[in-house]
Amino acid sequence: SQKIEQNSEALNIQEGKTATLTCNYTNYSPAYLQWYRQDPGRGPVFLLLIRENEKEKRKERLKVTFDTTLKQSLFHITASQPADSATYLCALRDDKIIFGKGTRLHILP
Amino acid sequence: DAEITQSPRHKITETGRQVTLACHQTWNHNNMFWYRQDLGHGLRLIHYSYGVQDTNKGEVSDGYSVSRSNTEDLPLTLESAASSQTSVYFCASSWGEDTQYFGPGTRLTVL
Repeated sequence: SQKIEQNSEALNIQEGKTATLTCNYTNYSPAYLQWYRQDPGRGPVFLLLIRENEKEKRKERLKVTFDTTLKQSLFHITASQPADSATYLCALRDDKIIFGKGTRLHILP
Repeated sequence: DAEITQSPRHKITETGRQVTLACHQTWNHNNMFWYRQDLGHGLRLIHYSYGVQDTNKGEVSDGYSVSRSNTEDLPLTLESAASSQTSVYFCASSWGEDTQYFGPGTRLTVL
């Protein structure tokens, strides 16, 4: 069966360190993968998109990698700040966009 | 500024009633989507539309319907509300199938 998996456990990271979130998928061949941020009580907000022929994408302190062999995307936040605390969702495009359940990230001051 | 809005933001209704949730976007996006978000399930696609008069079923469409009479609006109707439809509902829009812009959500409680 098709699955998109994100770590369901919350991730606690010390301020200033790099936070790394994982998105694994099975039985999909996505054309691209996206990462969204969701704050409590709000809708998701798009952060980054990476296509199947791209290995890495960067935007300010954010970096996304996409390994189609491992069927995995990693999302990195460098020099993390308490304001980065949120739930991060990955989404992949198969015939439609499918979302993972998200990982809650806590940046500890 | 262009935006996507949902109304109402909160709704309490009774089992068996018909409920309509509104979604309005001013980006002139062709594509519009309705999701529900529940603890443990993440975002699940209910219905989507790729243009006026076009509607399609998503993963969890039973008990829901949509209609698209113009570019800006995609109302979601619960024909006969059930307690299992208590959830947070998000509307989203996009140009292509790439970046989706989400509304603020509607919290629906069915008693």
